[in-house]
Amino acid sequence: AQRVTQPEKLLSVFKGAPVELKCNYSYSGSPELFWYVQYSRQRLQLLLRHISRESIKGFTADLNKGETSFHLKKPFAQEEDSAMYYCALGNSGNTPLVFGKGTRLSVIA
Amino acid sequence: DAGVTQSPTHLIKTRGQHVTLRCSPISGHKSVSWYQQVLGQGPQFIFQYYEKEERGRGNFPDRFSARQFPNYSSELNVNALLLGDSALYLCASSLTADQPQHFGDGTRLSIL
Repeated sequence: AQRVTQPEKLLSVFKGAPVELKCNYSYSGSPELFWYVQYSRQRLQLLLRHISRESIKGFTADLNKGETSFHLKKPFAQEEDSAMYYCALGNSGNTPLVFGKGTRLSVIA
Repeated sequence: DAGVTQSPTHLIKTRGQHVTLRCSPISGHKSVSWYQQVLGQGPQFIFQYYEKEERGRGNFPDRFSARQFPNYSSELNVNALLLGDSALYLCASSLTADQPQHFGDGTRLSIL
């Protein structure tokens, strides 16, 4: 069965501190992994995909197939990073099929 | 750019009724996907349509159906509504079925 687990419902960090949002997945095939973000009063939007191997707004995520993880990291948190973050899993292309429950990141000034 | 538009924004129905939700994709986008987001959970994939054909279906009962029109807009239909169908229904569009998706604001459906 396809499953995405985000163990933290809420993560609070101070501005300038490193951030790591955890994501573990369960999938028998070759997964496509995504991070989506929803800022306050905005729509859900794609932050990054594992196949792009890019850094968006200072965030990076590496797919670790051995640990079945796709943690989202940023070395120095900023107040504008405060948002709801969802990890998602798909099987091909850009269509996420299963989302985690989300982690609310709060960056404290 | 108006983005993905969904209607209505809110809807209240009773058990056993049926409902139709509508989605207009971004201009030029030919693929539409539907998601259900129950309170406290992440979105769950229901359907994807591309060029008016079903490209994918999630693990939802046959009470859920959808279609895509020649202008690429889409409808999601749910029959015999259950209390558990109460959720935010999100629509997302993309240029093709393999391009990044853009989400709408959703339709909040409440079942009494």
